[in-house]
Amino acid sequence: GAVVSQHPSRVICKSGTSVKIECRSLDFQATTMFWYRQFPKQSLMLMATSNEGSKATYEQGVEKDKFLINHASLTLSTLTVTSAHPEDSSFYICSARSGQGDDQPQHFGDGTRLSIL
Amino acid sequence: AQTVTQSQPEMSVQEAETVTLSCTYDTSESNYYLFWYKQPPSRQMILVIRQEAYKQQNATENRFSVNFQKAAKSFSLKISDSQLGDTAMYFCAFMIFGNQFYFGTGTSLTVIP
Repeated sequence: GAVVSQHPSRVICKSGTSVKIECRSLDFQATTMFWYRQFPKQSLMLMATSNEGSKATYEQGVEKDKFLINHASLTLSTLTVTSAHPEDSSFYICSARSGQGDDQPQHFGDGTRLSIL
Repeated sequence: AQTVTQSQPEMSVQEAETVTLSCTYDTSESNYYLFWYKQPPSRQMILVIRQEAYKQQNATENRFSVNFQKAAKSFSLKISDSQLGDTAMYFCAFMIFGNQFYFGTGTSLTVIP
């Protein structure tokens, strides 16, 4: 079946550094990728939607200059948390979809636990 | 390896009727949480219901209830009195303590008026 690889699975770094998270679709072409952030009580907030070759669409309240998303190819999207601070500590999950419709299956990565000291 | 399987890519139900979405998973862990998320066209993931694996009693949340069979590793979602607003993608997921999430690929549910 379709596999999405998310790397790294865990990051611990100092405040002020930038962190890049990769999301790769291993055996299918992902025309659309989604980035989520986990909040308390396990709710997941959609941060942005990225389509290959175009700029990401950010949800309201998400700082696009802080959370840089690049979807340079049909198999790779990256999320860079710039100048990370402790409040950015969270669990980040990506998902990928090969079809266009909202009813198409999404394949999720295993997530990245980001801890900012 | 941890896996989550939702074997029904699409389902439909008449308004006011009851529908059950199936989910099976595989893990060697003994402590984990199970979730059902709803993703409407807005694309935000809304937590519908959650179940702690150590609890035998099935979780309920208004019109939503689960049938949790730990030995069978099954976690189905029952929606009673279906409403038009229930139309969405539904994702089954489990989380191992330590916060590693595993998701199914989703079931697209359409409620027919």
